[in-house]
Amino acid sequence: NAGVTQTPKFQVLKTGQSMTLQCAQDMNHEYMSWYRQDPGMGLRLIHYSVGAGITDQGEVPNGYNVSRSTTEDFPLRLLSAAPSQTSVYFCASSPGLAGTNEQFFGPGTRLTVL
Amino acid sequence: ILNVEQSPQSLHVQEGDSTNFTCSFPSSNFYALHWYRWETAKSPEALFVMTLNGDEKKKGRISATLNTKEGYSYLYIKGSQPEDSATYLCAFYNQGGKLIFGQGTELSVKP
Repeated sequence: NAGVTQTPKFQVLKTGQSMTLQCAQDMNHEYMSWYRQDPGMGLRLIHYSVGAGITDQGEVPNGYNVSRSTTEDFPLRLLSAAPSQTSVYFCASSPGLAGTNEQFFGPGTRLTVL
Repeated sequence: ILNVEQSPQSLHVQEGDSTNFTCSFPSSNFYALHWYRWETAKSPEALFVMTLNGDEKKKGRISATLNTKEGYSYLYIKGSQPEDSATYLCAFYNQGGKLIFGQGTELSVKP
């Protein structure tokens, strides 16, 4: 199993550009989520999904969209990039509910918005 | 808003010292508490998932306890080693579907 994969590893955008961060898992996990990591702030939940076709907002959803058309994929879209979205983005997945099951994290995408 | 607080923010110990950190979370609607270990330039890895009040988990020299009634969990490391240097994250889940992380405790163990 490849586990949780994320592409790209690094990305530089200009303010106003849009892009999609890709996340895929091959473990047939129902729960998937996106976090951003900023210095001194741990991991903050952006969006999450409890299964294909179901998504919901996390703590910091503004400026981001998600969709979950398949169990495997959970892309994160930045609609119009802003410097405040410079961060490291982690995708995670878990079997069943996030509550009683450990999260498996991808390697992260480092995004810089100029 | 779910508030998950970790203390201290950072900790510097000598090799061989035992140490512990705290995670505080809302005591209402508790469902689960997670602990993760996060090494620099890597991804977080799960240590424990705890669901029952009074639960104690152990993995090698690392152990954790849980008090859901008062809303706290302790993580203990016995005989710290340099390879224990990492950020330790706790995360709280309250059946709402959201797993909310604290800001982490950064541990540095000097040889």
